[in-house]
Amino acid sequence: EPEVTQTPSHQVTQMGQEVILRCVPISNHLYFYWYRQILGQKVEFLVSFYNNEISEKSEIFDDQFSVERPDGSNFTLKIRSTKLEDSAMYFCASSPRAGGGTTGELFFGEGSRLTVL
Amino acid sequence: SQQGEEDPQALSIQEGENATMNCSYKTSINNLQWYRQNSGRGLVHLILIRSNEREKHSGRLRVTLDTSKKSSSLLITASRAADTASYFCATDGAAGNKLTFGGGTRVLVKP
Repeated sequence: EPEVTQTPSHQVTQMGQEVILRCVPISNHLYFYWYRQILGQKVEFLVSFYNNEISEKSEIFDDQFSVERPDGSNFTLKIRSTKLEDSAMYFCASSPRAGGGTTGELFFGEGSRLTVL
Repeated sequence: SQQGEEDPQALSIQEGENATMNCSYKTSINNLQWYRQNSGRGLVHLILIRSNEREKHSGRLRVTLDTSKKSSSLLITASRAADTASYFCATDGAAGNKLTFGGGTRVLVKP
C-alpha cells in the first residue's frame, strides 16, 4: 500500500543550525502539507503546498521556514536557524484532494522528531 | 477555545465498553474528519463526514455531525485494547487549503 515516507526519523541539532526534513508523498497525490506536534500537544498546521506554490501558511511558518519540491517526488521543510521551541515532531502529509474546494483525507508519514539543544 | 476541541481530554474504559468523544468547532466547515494516533506514530484517517451529512458509520465507528451546534461525536463500540490511542477531530475550513486539528482525546482501553 502506498505510504508517505519521512526522513530522518530523529534529528538532534544545535540551536541556530539549519535543518532539512524530507518527505516523499504518495506518488499520485497533488496536495502536500507540513504539520508539527510538540510533545503531547495538538497537531498544528504549518503550510500547505499545491502546484509548486504555497496555498496557505500559518503564523508559525515565519521567514525561518521554507518548503520546496525540488524534483517532483521529494517535499522538504527547511528551518534556517533553529530555536529551542522548534523541538517537535514534524509530520508530512499528502492528499489527492476531494475536489470541490475541500480538503479530503490526509495521508500522514510517521514523522521526524526534531530536538534542538 | 480553538477550532476543533475534543472533549474529554482523556478517557479510560474497559475492553468491550463503548467510547464516546466529542468535538466542537467555531467556523463553518466543508467536512469534519477523525484521525487516530498511536503513541509516537503518525495520524491515520478514520472517517470523513461532510457538512450535509448527519451520521456516518464505518465498522465499529459511528460519527455524528450537528452543524447547528458546530459539534461532532465519535463513538467506538465494543472497544478493544488495540483501540488505545489518541483521537483527533479535524475541520476543513472555507478555503479548503488545510485541516485544523483539535487537541485530541486520549483513550485507554483496559483489557
